[in-house]
Amino acid sequence: NAGVTQTPKFQVLKTGQSMTLQCAQDMNHNSMYWYRQDPGMGLRLIYYSASEGTTDKGEVPNGYNVSRLNKREFSLRLESAAPSQTSVYFCASSGTRWNTGELFFGEGSRLTVL
Amino acid sequence: AQSVAQPEDQVNVAEGNPLTVKCTYSVSGNPYLFWYVQYPNRGLQFLLKYITGDNLVKGSYGFEAEFNKSQTSFHLKKPSALVSDSALYFCAVRDPGSARQLTFGSGTQLTVLP
Repeated sequence: NAGVTQTPKFQVLKTGQSMTLQCAQDMNHNSMYWYRQDPGMGLRLIYYSASEGTTDKGEVPNGYNVSRLNKREFSLRLESAAPSQTSVYFCASSGTRWNTGELFFGEGSRLTVL
Repeated sequence: AQSVAQPEDQVNVAEGNPLTVKCTYSVSGNPYLFWYVQYPNRGLQFLLKYITGDNLVKGSYGFEAEFNKSQTSFHLKKPSALVSDSALYFCAVRDPGSARQLTFGSGTQLTVLP
């Protein structure tokens, strides 16, 4: 039972490079999320997709774009990476629309921007 | 606006003793409240939630939390700590009357000493 799968697990970029983080869930969930985790700041929501075909900005969307490719997959793209985007990124999914239920998290993608 | 505070960055407790991890929140209406746990190099895992009903909520691994509306608190508790409970704990809140998604606290590192 894979749950939420993120790739890659680790990535080092130079300032200005671009990359895409991939996320897939096999639980038939409607809602998917991208968070970043920084020391002492908890998790902050970057973007979310309440259902297939929709995406919305979260708390810290600047510098990121997302694509809800289908019900299973939700990707996060950094067009021009900056050192401030060094972080651990988590994808999550939920079977309920309005956060009444459990979020299922992937194991994270650790990104370093030099 | 919704917010959540975890006033302690670090909590140490001896194995077998009761543990408490504190959380206070601020929302304009009745909150949805959650606790998640993160083990090293892993994603977050759901522990328990309060949506409505009984103020004492029981969750996974013997944890429980008490919703106190007058003190706007949702402290996580366990009667007898285990070394394996050592992890990073996050409280999260959502105001169901707003369009905002879940807001996470900054996390509390729990260390259970043998």
